[in-house]
Amino acid sequence: QVQLRESGPGLVKPSQTLSLTCSVSGGSITRGGYYWSWFRQHSGKGLDWIGYVYNSGRTYYNPSLKSRVSISIETSNNQFSLRLNSVTAADTAVYYCARGWYNSIRNTFDIWGQGTMVTVSS
Amino acid sequence: DIQMTQSPSSLSASVGDRVTITCQASQDITTNLNWYQHKPGKAPKLLIFDASNLETGVPSRFRGSGSGTDFTFTISSLQPEDIASYYCQQYEDLVTFGGGTKVEVK
Repeated sequence: QVQLRESGPGLVKPSQTLSLTCSVSGGSITRGGYYWSWFRQHSGKGLDWIGYVYNSGRTYYNPSLKSRVSISIETSNNQFSLRLNSVTAADTAVYYCARGWYNSIRNTFDIWGQGTMVTVSS
Repeated sequence: DIQMTQSPSSLSASVGDRVTITCQASQDITTNLNWYQHKPGKAPKLLIFDASNLETGVPSRFRGSGSGTDFTFTISSLQPEDIASYYCQQYEDLVTFGGGTKVEVK
């Protein structure tokens, strides 16, 4: 069974770069029909989509974050990563990674990590 | 950008009650809509895909309907384990979530 797990620093200083990794176990990240995504949730708020990456390396980002975000896939390590630069306190949130699954009848985020809290503070 | 307006933002209901949540898209998204359940400290869980299809293993008391711009999510008989927040999500153009509905027990 495929599982995802987020990892990375829980504390980042303002103006620095937030870097998180999502490790995929139980299946290959290169398998067709899937893509790999990042989300976040500010305290007491709803879910926000950050972006996703296909096995090809092609990426799509939330327009509101596009200038600061980069998502990459590392097939050799079966993981994908998020980098968000120039962070501020407004980037403090729980960050989730998830697998996107698409075919002729569905396009869903069907497997999620448990989430990791990131605080931006000096 | 496609905006998703979800209502209500919160509701309180009794066990056994029928619960209804609506989601309105700012433009036609055909049936490119999913519904998720999210409990505090847990991973979000996919319940409904393509507006009305029940994900494998999800109880049949959960139902989705609608197309175009107007969608409805229903829990036919609220159970204690259904206490959570629920989100609609469109994939017609990139990804957008509704603001969420927090479901509580009276």
